Amino acid sequence: KAGVTQTPRYLIKTRGQQVTLSCSPISGHRSVSWYQQTPGQGLQFLFEYFSETQRNKGNFPGRFSGRQFSNSRSEMNVSTLELGDSALYLCASSSTVTGRFTTEQFFGPGTRLTVL
Amino acid sequence: KQEVTQIPAALSVPEGENLVLNCSFTDSAIYNLQWFRQDPGKGLTSLLLIQSSQREQTSGRLNASLDKSSGRSTLYIAASQPGDSATYLCAASGGGADGLTFGKGTHLIIQP
Repeated sequence: KAGVTQTPRYLIKTRGQQVTLSCSPISGHRSVSWYQQTPGQGLQFLFEYFSETQRNKGNFPGRFSGRQFSNSRSEMNVSTLELGDSALYLCASSSTVTGRFTTEQFFGPGTRLTVL
Repeated sequence: KQEVTQIPAALSVPEGENLVLNCSFTDSAIYNLQWFRQDPGKGLTSLLLIQSSQREQTSGRLNASLDKSSGRSTLYIAASQPGDSATYLCAASGGGADGLTFGKGTHLIIQP
């Protein structure tokens, strides 16, 4: 079974631009979560989607948004990029949810975003 | 707000040694706890998942324990090998937070 895939793997943007990242979960998985990883803050939760609905959201500004499609693929968008948005963006999928929580999460290789 | 701490931040040991990585969390109302490894520039590989009702999980040379009452989890690696060199992260689900709350990780180097 193929793992979580993320595209593109690397991106270079300039301040003020916007960017869209894509994530395809493991086949059959319906929950997709996004995380930002930086050297200073470590891994931080952005948001989680299940059945095309955002269920949970982390403490990030509204410039960060996402969506999920009927095939469970997900995209996240960052508008008006800032230098501090440079990070590794990781997507994780899990098979289902139980109440507020997801089951075991499996991560993709990430998208390395550099903002100049 | 859930906080996860990992000690030590870095560890270097000779090949063949058994070692323990520590993880502590502030809110014991967790749903589960996962251990991951991350190789440089790569994504996270899931190692073990412990449900809140479990005390430990084992996979090969790895054993993870969970003590909710004390807010602690440990990852035991037996007979370490150079290929075990990586950053090990623990992450808690629940405890008043959405998504997984991660520790900063333990950077492990196994010397050949």
